[in-house]
Amino acid sequence: SAVISQKPSRDICQRGTSLTIQCQVDSQVTMMFWYRQQPGQSLTLIATANQGSEATYESGFVIDKFPISRPNLTFSTLTVSNMSPEDSSIYLCSVEGARGRPYNEQFFGPGTRLTVL
Amino acid sequence: DAKTTQPPSMDCAEGRAANLPCNHSTISGNEYVYWYRQIHSQGPQYIIHGLKNNETNEMASLIITEDRKSSTLILPHATLRDTAVYYCIVRVVSAGTALIFGKGTTLSVSS
Repeated sequence: SAVISQKPSRDICQRGTSLTIQCQVDSQVTMMFWYRQQPGQSLTLIATANQGSEATYESGFVIDKFPISRPNLTFSTLTVSNMSPEDSSIYLCSVEGARGRPYNEQFFGPGTRLTVL
Repeated sequence: DAKTTQPPSMDCAEGRAANLPCNHSTISGNEYVYWYRQIHSQGPQYIIHGLKNNETNEMASLIITEDRKSSTLILPHATLRDTAVYYCIVRVVSAGTALIFGKGTTLSVSS
């Protein structure tokens, strides 16, 4: 399977600040996605990170709040902007289309646990 | 909204088979059934997927009814490490379609 790393693994931030989360994959992948998991809840898709173009956001998520970059086929960042306590969640990077794997197999990173005070 | 319905929780004794049901009565002909699980504080892990035939791998078996409106994930010999939230997801397999998660089933395996 594709090996996905996320940085930071966890952070505690003050409200009003921003945090950028990095997602690095050990091989080129076709698709990269970002999810949010609020405490005690299931995963919610935030957006699809598109290489070389703007991310595609799901309903309820906007670029100003969650800017995403994907400069190449192995790396993406998600920024959580102007944070409030409601942004306290686990943020997960996910990939699909890793070399040598079935095209439709989606893998997940370990997540970034964010607490906003 | 998620296209699947799962019981919120189930219990299983260690060493016994765990049978996790999933209803997907509105599934389309081109949608696959996927199962993932999430062990506490980790990212979701792929288990198995299928279209209409039963599938088996080293982790589990997937039984899909003939009308495809429901399925069962079978863990043949549950261990304590199988305690997790199990997600049943139906999905069209095409470029760019991400998994959409429902609430899942919390499976508790006890000794």
